[in-house]
Amino acid sequence: GQNIDQPTEMTATEGAIVQINCTYQTSGFNGLFWYQQHAGEAPTFLSYNVLDGLEEKGRFSSFLSRSKGYSYLLLKELQMKDSASYLCAVCSGGYQKVTFGIGTKLQVIP
Amino acid sequence: GAGVSQSPRYKVAKRGQDVALRCDPISGHVSLFWYQQALGQGPEFLTYFQNEAQLDKSGLPSDRFFAERPEGSVSTLKIQRTQQEDSAVYLCASSLDTSSYNEQFFGPGTRLTVL
Repeated sequence: GQNIDQPTEMTATEGAIVQINCTYQTSGFNGLFWYQQHAGEAPTFLSYNVLDGLEEKGRFSSFLSRSKGYSYLLLKELQMKDSASYLCAVCSGGYQKVTFGIGTKLQVIP
Repeated sequence: GAGVSQSPRYKVAKRGQDVALRCDPISGHVSLFWYQQALGQGPEFLTYFQNEAQLDKSGLPSDRFFAERPEGSVSTLKIQRTQQEDSAVYLCASSLDTSSYNEQFFGPGTRLTVL
């Protein structure tokens, strides 16, 4: 089975940097996604990591260590609009089956 | 539209009623997924279609849940004899093909409330 752990809530200050961690246990690992979900809205894609290392995309970066079963999402220059839930999701198995974590609710304060 | 659409956006049902939730994926997308998202939780996988074939229905919580995609495009999730524990947001997502690196595009969801 799958087991994905991430903090349930975090608070950070506008303009700062925040790191959201995710650990996972799975078999047949294919890759790891990060999605952003604003309250009452659909999840939207942020990043996908399949190899170890850091992937940077603008203010957002995502890191993966397959040997440690660990990933993080790094958000820089936080803006108020970044207040949302951030979902860590692991893709495994023979197709695109994705298992989501509970999500980390990030609150950005002035 | 260019995105995934779902209807209705909101559905209130009395316990014991049957409901049908519709998903229109992005045109040409091969893969289609249904998820159930309870309040404060991440999406939970329900079922997966590759074109019209339902390849995985391991996440359907009971035999009251049924999904179909008869022509490989629009999909319907049907819940029979709804129970209060079925109250959740039902999300549909589609993906271009079956490659694992393809992101899933989500619809806005249907919020089901069972009274």
